[in-house]
Amino acid sequence: GQNIDQPTEMTATEGAIVQINCTYQTSGFNGLFWYQQHAGEAPTFLSYNVLDGLEEKGRFSSFLSRSKGYSYLLLKELQMKDSASYLCAAMDSNYQLIWGAGTKLIIKP
Amino acid sequence: DVKVTQSSRYLVKRTGEKVFLECVQDMDHENMFWYRQDPGLGLRLIYFSYDVKMKEKGDIPEGYSVSREKKERFSLILESASTNQTSMYLCASTSGSSDYNEQFFGPGTRLTVL
Repeated sequence: GQNIDQPTEMTATEGAIVQINCTYQTSGFNGLFWYQQHAGEAPTFLSYNVLDGLEEKGRFSSFLSRSKGYSYLLLKELQMKDSASYLCAAMDSNYQLIWGAGTKLIIKP
Repeated sequence: DVKVTQSSRYLVKRTGEKVFLECVQDMDHENMFWYRQDPGLGLRLIYFSYDVKMKEKGDIPEGYSVSREKKERFSLILESASTNQTSMYLCASTSGSSDYNEQFFGPGTRLTVL
């Protein structure tokens, strides 16, 4: 079956660094997405990885290891506005997205 | 600025009612999707469409139908609403020509069925 696993909740301190992990099992693979979703709002796109390695975009970076079925989202210099849920989604061989349940990130002052 | 809009943010209906959820995108996207989002579960795909008048079942189509009469509009229909359809419903769209299918989401409709 197809499956995405990510932690349910994480807590971090303002100004710190946090890493949100995601493991996936899909029928075929066409890339890994990360989305941010603030409470009561729509998910918004953060990153896309299809090749192994690290993609950096400002304070946010995303890493992919295809051989391990593993990705992480790294958030640096955390700000209070980063409090949100972070959704991991893998694209399967049919170009359909398989979604994780999301990781709720709580930032404390 | 790209936009996906949904007809209602909040909706309360009674069991057995027919419910229409509308989604409109202004990006000339070919592909449109309907998801539901429930606590502790990932987004689950209900139906999707790759073209006008075309529809495909997603993972959980039972109890739902869809309509795509125009490229910009994708409607989700609950023929006879039930309490287990209480959920957040999200519409998304994506271009068929992009190398990867970044999905743009609407604000969501929180539906409560009493």
